[in-house]
Amino acid sequence: NAGVTQTPKFQVLKTGQSMTLQCAQDMNHNSMYWYRQDPGMGLRLIYYSASEGTTDKGEVPNGYNVSRLNKREFSLRLESAAPSQTSVYFCASTPGGTGVGGANVLTFGAGSRLTVL
Amino acid sequence: DAKTTQPTSMDCAEGRAANLPCNHSTISGNEYVYWYRQIHSQGPQYIIHGLKNNETNEMASLIITEDRKSSTLILPHATLRDTAVYYCIVRVYNNNDMRFGAGTRLTVKP
Repeated sequence: NAGVTQTPKFQVLKTGQSMTLQCAQDMNHNSMYWYRQDPGMGLRLIYYSASEGTTDKGEVPNGYNVSRLNKREFSLRLESAAPSQTSVYFCASTPGGTGVGGANVLTFGAGSRLTVL
Repeated sequence: DAKTTQPTSMDCAEGRAANLPCNHSTISGNEYVYWYRQIHSQGPQYIIHGLKNNETNEMASLIITEDRKSSTLILPHATLRDTAVYYCIVRVYNNNDMRFGAGTRLTVKP
């Protein structure tokens, strides 16, 4: 049981290049999330997917697109990378479900460190 | 969803209890309190959550005031490895818009 797996762990891009961050979870969770964390700052929600087939914007969605490929996988795409997108990106998932607080407990991946030159 | 207020930073002596406060004065009746921590640049780690009763697990205790307007996370015997940023989040269980604030940076000192 690997939990939440993110790839790649490190990536360096040039301004204008595109790339996709991959995230997969093996916990049969319904909901998945993408966060970014800039140096010395807290986590900011980019996008989330409450369930397979749905996605919603978070606090800072501009410059990103997401795809909930299936229940396990949730990818984050940068179409034209900018230096302001240099950050550590975290994927997370929650069980979802009804009636109990545990449905909203986040499990995080180890992060993907992206540098845009 | 209710906003939370946490101190920016706190220190604690190794072996002593660390008490981390969180104010959530606008909390509604169906909102849970969740605590996470982030050690250095690792992914955040879930610690504990509660609705209105006090909760305890192997990592920590969560004390929620009777009016539910504030809570305290207690690490009973802090170690150097507990040095981290601690986040308090208030959410309805089925609200997927899970946003984090700035958290409290806890430094455990020898």
